Amino acid sequence: DQQVKQNSPSLSVQEGRISILNCDYTNSMFDYFLWYKKYPAEGPTFLISISSIKDKNEDGRFTVFLNKSAKHLSLHIVPSQPGDSAVYFCAYGNTGNQFYFGTGTSLTVIP
Amino acid sequence: SQTIHQWPATLVQPVGSPLSLECTVEGTSNPNLYWYRQAAGRGLQLLFYSVGIGQISSEVPQNLSASRPQDRQFILSSKKLLLSDSGFYLCAWSQETVSGNTIYFGEGSWLTVV
Repeated sequence: DQQVKQNSPSLSVQEGRISILNCDYTNSMFDYFLWYKKYPAEGPTFLISISSIKDKNEDGRFTVFLNKSAKHLSLHIVPSQPGDSAVYFCAYGNTGNQFYFGTGTSLTVIP
Repeated sequence: SQTIHQWPATLVQPVGSPLSLECTVEGTSNPNLYWYRQAAGRGLQLLFYSVGIGQISSEVPQNLSASRPQDRQFILSSKKLLLSDSGFYLCAWSQETVSGNTIYFGEGSWLTVV
């Protein structure tokens, strides 16, 4: 049972435009979310996180939005750069030791 | 600062041969440790996690096993590899913060079973 879902397997965006990556979750008790970026043949790297006490967290070109009523979060990348081309995973992490990952969205930024 | 290393980076093994992937974490004590697998074109599948020495939880039935002989060492093993064991294996550790846990991954190990 997939508790964190990324329904778009791929996304293409022109360089300089906004990339929006989406993620839905099923459990309303989830309260801490993370985004990771993964290049081929490398481990995922942590990008940004958000806890449920916020609805937005910003770090440079990356902003994560959380809509608790819709159980939806999104990652915005502005402006998109060719080096942003990678697979992006959203994940839920709680204060225990369990992490639930989405299946990933492959972003291609076209120069 | 904390670092995580896993090896070997690439491995080609025949069906039926044994496997040993090793992972070490530096700069932290008593971390939670994990083994994940990413099959081609798929997401991250949790295989094992450990909250302490000798404590291993298995998430998916398979012919793989894990061991944690030391606090910051995590080993993934198999006695006899199957073709379906091919994939990209990731070791990871997690750190608890005030708001929640963050997980950090190693460089990954490509396993091809032939």
